[in-house]
Amino acid sequence: EPEVTQTPSHQVTQMGQEVILRCVPISNHLYFYWYRQILGQKVEFLVSFYNNEISEKSEIFDDQFSVERPDGSNFTLKIRSTKLEDSAMYFCASNAGLAVGEQFFGPGTRLTVL
Amino acid sequence: AQRVTQPEKLLSVFKGAPVELKCNYSYSGSPELFWYVQYSRQRLQLLLRHISRESIKGFTADLNKGETSFHLKKPFAQEEDSAMYYCALKKQAGTALIFGKGTTLSVSS
Repeated sequence: EPEVTQTPSHQVTQMGQEVILRCVPISNHLYFYWYRQILGQKVEFLVSFYNNEISEKSEIFDDQFSVERPDGSNFTLKIRSTKLEDSAMYFCASNAGLAVGEQFFGPGTRLTVL
Repeated sequence: AQRVTQPEKLLSVFKGAPVELKCNYSYSGSPELFWYVQYSRQRLQLLLRHISRESIKGFTADLNKGETSFHLKKPFAQEEDSAMYYCALKKQAGTALIFGKGTTLSVSS
């Protein structure tokens, strides 16, 4: 059964450094998402992406964040200059279309900012 | 603003007991409601959605628009039901899922 994959599973970085989190959505899916979960808190929506552009973003998704689909398979989240408060689990998700409803989640990347 | 509230952080029951995980939401439009589950060391996965009106692994959930609730129920809990359960809302014409804080269900024998 196809699954969303994410790399790396754990990323440790120094404050101020740039990080790129990578995701491979399910191949025939059209909508891609990033969520994050700070330890002990709820899963929070960051951004959705469709047809090579952002379709919706939350107030968390400020100028420090960007997303890209550099090729036909990868979907990336870049944090330009990481802060301590960016430490969280980042989940990628995809779905085939809005009418389908269900979003399929990846296993997550744990980002630790020191 | 849209919000999903799961009032219980932890729910502990014995095997065979009934389970009800509470979820309330605030949204002025017609939402789509979901329950996602995360078993230990596994990814978030969909358990059920209100528009399918189906029972999955013995769980059901009914959308009550008057009470703005979408409680998850199972008549007889099993140990393998132990997991973190998240209620989520999708706005009309939106893409984002808005999650509650989650409830850990612990079923012991």
